[in-house]
Amino acid sequence: QQQVKQSPQSLIVQKGGISIINCAYENTAFDYFPWYQQFPGKGPALLIAIRPDVSEKKEGRFTISFNKSAKQFSLHIMDSQPGDSATYFCAASVTGGFKTIFGAGTRLFVKA
Amino acid sequence: DTAVSQTPKYLVTQMGNDKSIKCEQNLGHDTMYWYKQDSKKFLKIMFSYNNKELIINETVPNRFSPKSPDKAHLNLHINSLELGDSAVYFCASSQDLPTASYEQYFGPGTRLTVT
Repeated sequence: QQQVKQSPQSLIVQKGGISIINCAYENTAFDYFPWYQQFPGKGPALLIAIRPDVSEKKEGRFTISFNKSAKQFSLHIMDSQPGDSATYFCAASVTGGFKTIFGAGTRLFVKA
Repeated sequence: DTAVSQTPKYLVTQMGNDKSIKCEQNLGHDTMYWYKQDSKKFLKIMFSYNNKELIINETVPNRFSPKSPDKAHLNLHINSLELGDSAVYFCASSQDLPTASYEQYFGPGTRLTVT
């Protein structure tokens, strides 16, 4: 019940295309859903996050769509650029729980 | 200024040795974490500390012993290293208050190789 399932494992997108990464969770107590971006040799860094009281959050080219009833959320990267090539992790946590569960990660490669 | 720093960045050692990784954060956060990232990039929490107190211990072998001398530091000592301990270890911190974003700030990682 603590798992966060992420797909696909890897993704190749043409420059200018839309990248879509999906995640699903079981624990309905989760109330914070961040996405982290990790470049090779670096630590993950927060990209965008959402709480379940909204269905969508947009920051620049990055959008999170959240479906509470389906217990799913997804990251959309519009106008994907080669510089977006990285590993993306979805995650979930319970406020005050001091524990974040990460998905398995998606390696995104944007072809120029 | 580096928000979360770790030393060393690389650590190569032989099986059976004992080693330590140090972590410091200058963000004033009250919660710190250790994560292990394996070769498949899977990121798994090992420990979390809040105000120097151990909160989460995710069934990590006793050979791993975290120590938090103060809120800004969380070190990880590993005894009797095994081949399976080879991974990248990340330290992270966050401010876990109701008004905070709960964003975790990660260090650059320590790549541990056990031969």
